[in-house]
Amino acid sequence: DTAVSQTPKYLVTQMGNDKSIKCEQNLGHDTMYWYKQDSKKFLKIMFSYNNKELIINETVPNRFSPKSPDKAHLNLHINSLELGDSAVYFCASSPLTDRNYGYTFGSGTRLTVV
Amino acid sequence: AQSVTQLGSHVSVSEGALVLLRCNYSSSVPPYLFWYVQYPNQGLQLLLKYTSAATLVKGINGFEAEFKKSETSFHLTKPSAHMSDAAEYFCAVTGGSNYKLTFGKGTLLTVNP
Repeated sequence: DTAVSQTPKYLVTQMGNDKSIKCEQNLGHDTMYWYKQDSKKFLKIMFSYNNKELIINETVPNRFSPKSPDKAHLNLHINSLELGDSAVYFCASSPLTDRNYGYTFGSGTRLTVV
Repeated sequence: AQSVTQLGSHVSVSEGALVLLRCNYSSSVPPYLFWYVQYPNQGLQLLLKYTSAATLVKGINGFEAEFKKSETSFHLTKPSAHMSDAAEYFCAVTGGSNYKLTFGKGTLLTVNP
C-alpha cells in the first residue's frame, strides 16, 4: 500500500480550465500539506491542514483552493489555470505532535498548462 | 522564522569519491533538520534527520550528517559515492510553534564513472 498517494500523476490542460488533484494518506497522520516545486526544483509550501482545519495558507492566488473532507484526504482545486501554474505539486503528511518524524511525500503530480 | 542555505547548486564527484553536500540553517528556536533525496521523476524520500538526540546522524544508503550548532551547519556526507546516488538533495528545517518544513534550493549530485 502506498503511504501517500496522489492522482493523477500527470495532468496536461489548457489555460483557463479548472482542474483538481487528489491526495490520500493511510499513515494515520493528523496533518497534510501541499507543496509546489517549480522548474528550478524549488519547493514551496502552499497549504497545510490539521484534522480538516486549515493551519497554513501561504501567499497563494485564490484560484487555488484546498479541501480536506477528512484527515486522510487533502485535495487541491485550481481555477482558471495559467501558464505559470505549470509545476510539480507534492502532497505530504506528518503527525502533528511529532516533529521528529518529518514529512512523508507523495510521488507528485506534474501539471502542464498549455 | 527558519531558513536553509545549500551551498552549491551542483556537485559532481567521481564514483568512489567522498560526497559532501553543504547545508547551513537559520533558526531562532532549536531546529529540527532533515535531508531528503529526490530521484528523477520521483517524490522526496527522507535520508536522515537531526532531532537533538545525537549530533552525528546516520541515514539510509550510507549517508550521514553532523549537526554543528556553533557553525549552524548540517552537512551531508558519504565516504564513497555510487552511481545510484545521483539525485537532487534537499536540506530542510522546522522548529518552534510553526510545523512548516522549509526547504533549501537543492543540490544536484552527479556521479561520474
